[in-house]
Amino acid sequence: SYVLTQSPSVSVAPGQTARIPCGGHNIGHKNVHWYQQKPGQAPVLVVYDDRNRPSGIPERFSGSNSGDTATLTINRVEAGDEADYFCQVWDSTPDHSYVFGSGTKVTVL
Amino acid sequence: EVQLVEAGGIVVQPGGSLRLSCEASGFAFGDFSMHWVRQAPGKGLEWVSLISWGASSSYYADSVKGRFSISRDDGKNSLYLQMNNLKTEDSALYYCAKAGGDGDYGYYFDFWGQGTQDTVSS
Repeated sequence: SYVLTQSPSVSVAPGQTARIPCGGHNIGHKNVHWYQQKPGQAPVLVVYDDRNRPSGIPERFSGSNSGDTATLTINRVEAGDEADYFCQVWDSTPDHSYVFGSGTKVTVL
Repeated sequence: EVQLVEAGGIVVQPGGSLRLSCEASGFAFGDFSMHWVRQAPGKGLEWVSLISWGASSSYYADSVKGRFSISRDDGKNSLYLQMNNLKTEDSALYYCAKAGGDGDYGYYFDFWGQGTQDTVSS
């Protein structure tokens, strides 16, 4: 089955840019989706289909995907962005399934 | 406003059974596929199961195949997960989630409930 690899943690100062990578074999050929999860809360979809933002998600959140790495970028990081971020893809082999990365904890310094 | 409210999580012994439910509102429930996703304490997210709109198809993660069964009642706007032969590793917060994206099953999860905690322990 398909495997997504995420770094455990990323630290960033307020106002700077956070880049959160998600690795997978030829992930550029798949559509990648990203979720933000704050402590004690349910996940929230922040980017879908590599680069699209749902209604209500700030423009500071953006995504890209090429080769073996997809990236969620958070511009002008705020204290409220501190959370776990999970990437996710749909996989058809061996059967219909949905795969998550292990998550990256973003800490705002 | 889309709302998903889960219920049914309790403490159960290994080998026991449990039925989770999720009541949906704020969207045309019968028109969308629905999922269960779980999260063990301090761990990441794990997809559990999918049921298509119309309930014609269902899929399961290998870790629960043969033990869990997903169903839905569109008249009650409700999603269910019957969990049998529970193991300690099934202890988790179980979320119901609405399918997002094109196709019969969607490719991501655009709305989530707050989750219901299931603890399997002797």
